[in-house]
Amino acid sequence: QKEVEQDPGPLSVPEGAIVSLNCTYSNSAFQYFMWYRQYSRKGPELLMYTYSSGNKEDGRFTAQVDKSSKYISLFIRDSQPSDSATYLCAMSVGGSEKLVFGKGTKLTVNP
Amino acid sequence: KAGVTQTPRYLIKTRGQQVTLSCSPISGHRSVSWYQQTPGQGLQFLFEYFSETQRNKGNFPGRFSGRQFSNSRSEMNVSTLELGDSALYLCASSFGTQHYGYTFGSGTRLTVV
Repeated sequence: QKEVEQDPGPLSVPEGAIVSLNCTYSNSAFQYFMWYRQYSRKGPELLMYTYSSGNKEDGRFTAQVDKSSKYISLFIRDSQPSDSATYLCAMSVGGSEKLVFGKGTKLTVNP
Repeated sequence: KAGVTQTPRYLIKTRGQQVTLSCSPISGHRSVSWYQQTPGQGLQFLFEYFSETQRNKGNFPGRFSGRQFSNSRSEMNVSTLELGDSALYLCASSFGTQHYGYTFGSGTRLTVV
């Protein structure tokens, strides 16, 4: 069993839709949870960062962490064509430990 | 503010050769990490350097090595290249003492033929 599982998609939605992306993990020691967005031929860009459980909101993006279920989610409201990218979840045990990534979900938002 | 700079952007090497990739972190960042990204395995951690010391290492063979200089710039080296080393190599930097997330460069695309 991989430490972090993420549905690779692809996921295709119409503009304006609410998008839900999620990851499950097996290592209960993970404390730091991140979502990255990666455009084609670019490096990953940090979108959201959460420590431990709870919700965090930033504009159209909401990140949720449920440590009891070992499940994290990213919601994108009012999705735009510019949101079309691969979304990667990542997590780590300590503040400066290696990041363990999911394989990424490819999202396409159609105008 | 300048981001993480990786050079070169693209490389083509022959099997058996060695290669050196370079990474300049964001000013003030003391931690540099390297990742390998392939379609099959996704992003995999190679190693992390903080203040010129290797602090963490992933599960890669000894052909993969790295170092960090006093100005926090980092290099990674791959010796005796294999076809399976073809990948996007990403460098990420952070402050390293508290976790604010890592900032990635655009990567070096290595093709081994």
